Order: sequence, then C-alpha cells, then structure tokens
Amino acid sequence: EIVMTQSPATLSVSPGERATLSCRASQTVSSYLAWYQQKPGQAPRLLIYAASTRATGIPARFSGSGSGTEFTLTISSLQSEDFAVYYCQHYNNWPYTFGQGTKLEIK
Amino acid sequence: QVQLVESGGGLVKPGGSLRLSCTASGFTFSDYYMSWIRQAPGKGLEWVAYISGSGSAIYYADSVKGRFTISRDNAQNSLYLQMNSLRDEDTAVYYCAKGAAIDSWGQGTLVTVSS
Repeated sequence: EIVMTQSPATLSVSPGERATLSCRASQTVSSYLAWYQQKPGQAPRLLIYAASTRATGIPARFSGSGSGTEFTLTISSLQSEDFAVYYCQHYNNWPYTFGQGTKLEIK
Repeated sequence: QVQLVESGGGLVKPGGSLRLSCTASGFTFSDYYMSWIRQAPGKGLEWVAYISGSGSAIYYADSVKGRFTISRDNAQNSLYLQMNSLRDEDTAVYYCAKGAAIDSWGQGTLVTVSS
C-alpha cells in the first residue's frame, strides 16, 4: 500500500498570503494525484486532479504541481472561504489512499 | 447536474449488518467506476471499496475485506454496500463517490456501531 504523507499537519496563514501544502508518496504515483478541500459538515470537494489540472469551477488561485513522489498544492492569495482541511489522494493503483490532511487555519 | 444520494445508515450493534444504497443521476452511471469512502468522527478519509462500471472489477480495503460487499445495478443507477460483522471501528460517515479522482460525492450517511 502506498502511504501518503502530508505536511504540515496544521498551517497558519493570514488572509491574502500564499499557502503551500505538501504531499509525499511512499512510492511513485506518476501524476495520479488529486487534492480535495473539506469544510466542517461537508463532503470533500475536488480541487486538482492529474497533479496539476484544476477541476471544474475551481478558482485560478489554486494550483498543483509535482510528479512521482513529491507534490504541492499552492493557494496564491488566501480568501476567507479557503480555510479548511486539505487532503491529497493517489489513484495510481489499488488501494487508493488519502493523506492524513492539512488543516489550514487563519493566523 | 450530477447527484449522488445515499441512504441506509443508522445505529447497529456490533456483529450486526446494514445495507447502504446510493442513487445516482445526471450522468451515464454505467460508464463510471464508483466507490464507497468513509470518514470516522474527527478523522481522515478512508477508501472502502471500488467497483468498475460493468461490475467486473471490485477492490476492497483490507480493513473490510470479507465483511463488506460492494455491488451495483446499472439499470437502476444504484450503488450498494452490504456491511456484515460490523465493528465499533466501522462507525463513520459513508460517502458514495464517482470516479478515481472523485469529482462528485454524496452528502454522506452516518453508520454508528455501538451496543
């Protein structure tokens, strides 16, 4: 099983600033990597798939990069609605697995 | 637009059984892999089971293998999860989900396993 490790566990950032979230895979997942945002009481929402492709309706301030084992989600200028928990997930081969999440909180 | 609506959650005793259902609309159901994904209270996401569009390919997490069965009825645009021998640690919100990079999620149904 591929283990996905996200860092940091919690990230404190001020509105308007940039946030950088990391995700590392224990073995290569090529570009089969997705990012999700989850707010309390809601289902997750797909932000990025194929490591760097924004999902439908996702603002341009969200960007993804990386391939192989190292991936990054960048939010260029944080808005109030961006404070949430973010998960990475690989879909290279079964079992698909999620990272443990990064909580993005207001500084 | 795509809609996924789960039902069937509830309170069940350890060792008991429950069957979850998910009704899909807004897309050609038989064209897509579908999944059940769960989230224990205050915890992260865990992929439980995954089924191909035709139903010929099925995968389970080790934590549920031999106890849970995923199935689908493409004529009814429905996905199912039969859960047997339930344990306390199966307590979670269960989401119905579309695809491998999941672009659509249901609202979730809560399963509570407790005596």
